[in-house]
Amino acid sequence: AQSVSQHNHHVILSEAASLELGCNYSYGGTVNLFWYVQYPGQHLQLLLKYFSGDPLVKGIKGFEAEFIKSKFSFNLRKPSVQWSDTAEYFCAVNAAGGYQKVTFGTGTKLQVIP
Amino acid sequence: KAGVTQTPRYLIKTRGQQVTLSCSPISGHRSVSWYQQTPGQGLQFLFEYFSETQRNKGNFPGRFSGRQFSNSRSEMNVSTLELGDSALYLCASAPGQGSAYNEQFFGPGTRLTVL
Repeated sequence: AQSVSQHNHHVILSEAASLELGCNYSYGGTVNLFWYVQYPGQHLQLLLKYFSGDPLVKGIKGFEAEFIKSKFSFNLRKPSVQWSDTAEYFCAVNAAGGYQKVTFGTGTKLQVIP
Repeated sequence: KAGVTQTPRYLIKTRGQQVTLSCSPISGHRSVSWYQQTPGQGLQFLFEYFSETQRNKGNFPGRFSGRQFSNSRSEMNVSTLELGDSALYLCASAPGQGSAYNEQFFGPGTRLTVL
């Protein structure tokens, strides 16, 4: 069974700082990867996803993530954060092929200070 | 298109009672998944239904059950509630062949408090 680790539980950054949130998964086969975001008072929504192809994936609001298969990682990045990026970020994975469940990480709370 | 709706939004129950939560997916979505969200634990997968069939099940006791109707609406039931069942229960729907292949669209959740 797959599992997902998000090592940073709480990150505090100043506006304009660069962001990188770590996500590592454990599964030996081919995977699909997701980042979801939950803004305060809002529903979880998709930021970006990787199914195949270019390992550098661009999402909404200037976010991107890079799939590094050899490191089992799918880190989320943004070059310059804004106060409006304050939210909780969840990495998720599922085994590709068939109809495998999606496993979420425990989330990283990002607080951006103006 | 209307989003995923969940009812009720808030529930307070006592230990030993049972509860039924409801989820209406986005029109046209045949996949509905349920998650339990608690602080520090993230989202724990409960089950996924697709066209009235349970496709996947998470590692929860048999007290947690669900079903899906022909109109894709889904319900989940928790019997003999325990204090540890207090959580936000999220429902998500997905288009096409379901969550394994597509983005999930989440509802606002039902906040269950067990006293």
